[in-house]
Amino acid sequence: GDSVTQKQGQVTLSEDDFLFINCTYSTTTYPTLLWYVQYLGQGPQLLLKVTTANNKGISRGFEATYDKGTTSFHLQKASVQESDSAVYFCALVGGDTNAYKVIFGKGTHLHVLP
Amino acid sequence: GPKVLQIPSHQIIDMGQMVTLNCDPVSNHLYFYWYKQILGQQMEFLVNFYNGKVMEKSKLFKDQFSVERPDGSYFTLKIQPTALEDSAVYFCASSPGTGGLLANSDYTFGSGTRLLVI
Repeated sequence: GDSVTQKQGQVTLSEDDFLFINCTYSTTTYPTLLWYVQYLGQGPQLLLKVTTANNKGISRGFEATYDKGTTSFHLQKASVQESDSAVYFCALVGGDTNAYKVIFGKGTHLHVLP
Repeated sequence: GPKVLQIPSHQIIDMGQMVTLNCDPVSNHLYFYWYKQILGQQMEFLVNFYNGKVMEKSKLFKDQFSVERPDGSYFTLKIQPTALEDSAVYFCASSPGTGGLLANSDYTFGSGTRLLVI
């Protein structure tokens, strides 16, 4: 079955640091890959998504490349701000199951210190 | 942008009682979902719903759980009876259901109902 792995449970950075959040996925088909951001007390919000292998998604300074070879979809940002502090979920939809269920990773808590 | 509204935002209930969580999905969306999140951890899929029927449910969707959307009103999750382990944040989501895979990955989530069973 489909799965998404985020090995980093928590990342702590200072403002203007480079962000890298690891994400790998497992499926036998060609899913859409997504990153969601969840701020405290809110539901997840779509940050970016990529439907085609080798393409890159970019949003609000964040970027992630759909790497079919390494089955990865790592999230990066060149310079984080305190307002980026949130939980980031890597996810996929439309894998082995169907298009009607988002599979989430465990999430990475990002803390950005002022 | 369009929003999913969840009512109530918080609910405290005695173990064994019934609780109903309400969701007002995006107006033109056709697919509806419930997810469970414990202590800010992983979002766990519970169930999805289309055209008045459950399409798929996970192992977490116990026999005590049920969903419905009578006559286009709220999409509801009912738990009867509740158990201590049902304490969590429950998120409702909806998606268009048209336009193929690309469009149907456009899920909109509500802000959640924080359920505490005591």
